[in-house]
Amino acid sequence: QQQVKQSPQSLIVQKGGISIINCAYENTAFDYFPWYQQFPGKGPALLIAIRPDVSEKKEGRFTISFNKSAKQFSLHIMDSQPGDSATYFCAAQGAQKLVFGQGTRLTINP
Amino acid sequence: NAGVMQNPRHLVRRRGQEARLRCSPMKGHSHVYWYRQLPEEGLKFMVYLQKENIIDESGMPKERFSAEFPKEGPSILRIQQVVRGDSAAYFCASSPLSSTTYEQYFGPGTRLTVT
Repeated sequence: QQQVKQSPQSLIVQKGGISIINCAYENTAFDYFPWYQQFPGKGPALLIAIRPDVSEKKEGRFTISFNKSAKQFSLHIMDSQPGDSATYFCAAQGAQKLVFGQGTRLTINP
Repeated sequence: NAGVMQNPRHLVRRRGQEARLRCSPMKGHSHVYWYRQLPEEGLKFMVYLQKENIIDESGMPKERFSAEFPKEGPSILRIQQVVRGDSAAYFCASSPLSSTTYEQYFGPGTRLTVT
């Protein structure tokens, strides 16, 4: 199965709070898991990525947690800011092509 | 270092016309990918190309769609005899040659509207 399931579809978080977005995949051949941030009218921008041999990766306020046995991974945004309001996509890569989740529209209230 | 460039940014075509979308990868990148994004949906893989070669076109519709990445010049996604259902944002991404590098960097997209 080539699907990547992402939840929630939309998320509202107060400024300073933690935003958490979850993804699940089925194909164990996937070997690279990036997260993209997309603002309206723009292309997706690579935010952070992880390989399955690592359980966690942190870059600034952004952390990916990866559970290989459960085939799940999540994005945590610490100290969420209004500028983080965007649509976030998880993806899984196998054979050079990306399979995207459906996206999460994140709104950070000031 | 300029990013991935796409043009035009917006394209309006009448049903039955042809649409040509162009993509210039980042400097030093030799792999190009095309994705389609329908409103309120995630991106869907269409085709993966290297210079003068189509590597994977499993996401391309069987008819009316074609892609190329010539030795010189940008990659082209061509849609013949467009229909309203082709209206979408089309994104190009590129990645370096190295097999140890997986990152795909996206351009700003071409928003195609079929009237």
